Amino acid sequence: DAGVTQSPTHLIKTRGQQVTLRCSPKSGHDTVSWYQQALGQGPQFIFQYYEEEERQRGNFPDRFSGHQFPNYSSELNVNALLLGDSALYLCASRSGPPLDEQFFGPGTRLTVL
Amino acid sequence: AQKVTQAQTEISVVEKEDVTLDCVYETRDTTYYLFWYKQPPSGELVFLIRRNSFDEQNEISGRYSWNFQKSTSSFNFTITASQVVDSAVYFCALSRSGGYQKVTFGTGTKLQVIP
Repeated sequence: DAGVTQSPTHLIKTRGQQVTLRCSPKSGHDTVSWYQQALGQGPQFIFQYYEEEERQRGNFPDRFSGHQFPNYSSELNVNALLLGDSALYLCASRSGPPLDEQFFGPGTRLTVL
Repeated sequence: AQKVTQAQTEISVVEKEDVTLDCVYETRDTTYYLFWYKQPPSGELVFLIRRNSFDEQNEISGRYSWNFQKSTSSFNFTITASQVVDSAVYFCALSRSGGYQKVTFGTGTKLQVIP
């Protein structure tokens, strides 16, 4: 049983460009959350998707958007990239009760030049 | 609002020493979850433990142990007889319980175990 998978592993973009990151949740998990982890910091919650809708959102601008597909996989889109968007982007998938378990993927390292 | 504080930025110990990583949290919720994650240099967050707020029993798993004290809002993590493979960044985290809640992380403690 594969865990949470993310693609690509690494990505280099320039300021102003747009990027799409992808996440496939662990089998049996229906909720996907995205986190941004800047160098030397803890992960920061971006948003969460359940039943193809954004359910919660952290303190991130509208340049960050997402989508969840019927198979529960998800995409994170970032428009008009800034140098400060350089970070490790982590996807977490979560199952519902009673297990209510959450696991993180390996992350996508985004570098904005 | 929820907040997690890990005051220790970096800790270095010699192999086989015991080490305790501190975690203090703030929440107004009456029920919540506390977590510890390990992040090795590869970057992937490895789940170590989840503790429900109504369960204050200490837990031991091999060389790892956790001390949860609700009275002081602390959830400390101790590694006994540390090994080089324990070198990583450790994050303490907090979420509301029930439903699909976001996780709030501390800033992490970087542990270096010197052979």
